[in-house]
Parts: sequence; structure tokens; C-alpha cells
Amino acid sequence: EIVMTQSPATLSVSPGERATLSCRASQSVSSNLAWYQQKPGQAPRLLIYGASTRATGIPARFSGSGSGTEFTLTISSLQSEDFAVYYCQQYNNWPLPMYTFGQGTKLEIK
Amino acid sequence: QVQLVQSGAEVKKPGASVKVSCKASGYTFTSYGISWVRQAPGQGLEWMGWISAYNGNTNYAQKLQGRVTMTTDTSTSTAYMELRSLRSDDTAVYYCARVGITMVRGLIDYWGQGTLVTVSS
Repeated sequence: EIVMTQSPATLSVSPGERATLSCRASQSVSSNLAWYQQKPGQAPRLLIYGASTRATGIPARFSGSGSGTEFTLTISSLQSEDFAVYYCQQYNNWPLPMYTFGQGTKLEIK
Repeated sequence: QVQLVQSGAEVKKPGASVKVSCKASGYTFTSYGISWVRQAPGQGLEWMGWISAYNGNTNYAQKLQGRVTMTTDTSTSTAYMELRSLRSDDTAVYYCARVGITMVRGLIDYWGQGTLVTVSS
């Protein structure tokens, strides 16, 4: 099983500043990596797929990078609505889907 | 617009079974798969398994093998997840989510609203 490790567990950032979240895979997942945002009481929302492609309707301040085992989600200028938990997830095992999620990074207001 | 609408909250006793439904609309049901993901209170996301709505193929997380069954009814565009022999640590919010099988294969893009399953004696 591919293990996804996110860091840090909690990130405190002021509004308007940049946030950088990391995700590492225990083995290569190529670019089959997605990022999701989850707010309290809500379902996750897809932000980034293919490691760097923004999903429909996602603001340009969200960007993803990386391939293989090292990935980064960057939020360039934090807005109040961006404070949430972020999960990375690999979907590399097609055609026999076997997904794993990172444990999440909580982005909180500093 | 794509929508996945799940059935309501459930309270079950240990040892019982639960069956959660997920009705899809706004897209061609058989052109995608459905994954089920659960989230225990205050915890992260745990993938449970996947079913292709195209041909019914399934793949379950190893820790749930033998206790979980995922099915689809293509006539009503509805997916189902049944979990048996419930334990207290199965208490969680259960999500269904759409999985691409042609465009961006394997990507989970839309999620249902979640169904709280509480297991308590």
C-alpha cells in the first residue's frame, strides 16, 4: 500500500500571506495526485488533480506542483475562506483503484 | 450539474448491518465509477472501496474485505454500500464520490453530502 505523508500537521498563516503544504508518497505515483479542501461539516472539495491542474471553478491562487513522490500545494494569498483542512490523495493504481489519503494539514489563522 | 444525494443518518447496534444509498444525477451514471470513503469523528479520510457503474467491477480496501459490499442499480443511477458486523469503530460519516473511468481515470471529483452512521449499544 502506498503511504501518503503530509506536513506539517498544522500550519498557522496570516490572511494575505502564502501557505505551502507538502505531501510525500512512499513510492512513485507519477502525477496521479489530487488535493482536496474540507471545511467543518462539509464534504471534501476537489482543488487540484494531475498534481498541478486546477479543478473547475478553483481560484488561481491555488497551485500544485511535483511528481513522483514529492508534491506541494501553494495558496498564494490566503483568504478567510481558505482556512480548512487539506488532504492529498494518490490515484495511481488504475485500472484497479486503491486509493490512499494523507492524514491532512489543518490550515489555521495566525 | 453533478449531484450525489445520500440516504439519511443511521443508528445501529454492534453486530448489525447498514446499507447506505447514493443517488446520482447530472451525468451518465454508467460512464463513471463510485468510491466510498469514510471519516471517523475528528479523523482523516479512509478509502473503503470502488465500484465501476459501467461493468460492476469492484475493489475493496483490504481491512474491510468480507464485511463490505458495493453495488449499483443502473436503472435508478443509485450506488449502495453495505457494511456488516458493525463495531463501534465503524462510527463515521460515510461519503460516496464519483470516479472517472475514461477522462482522468481514477480521479475522485464529486462527493455526496455524507451519511452519519453511529454504532452504539
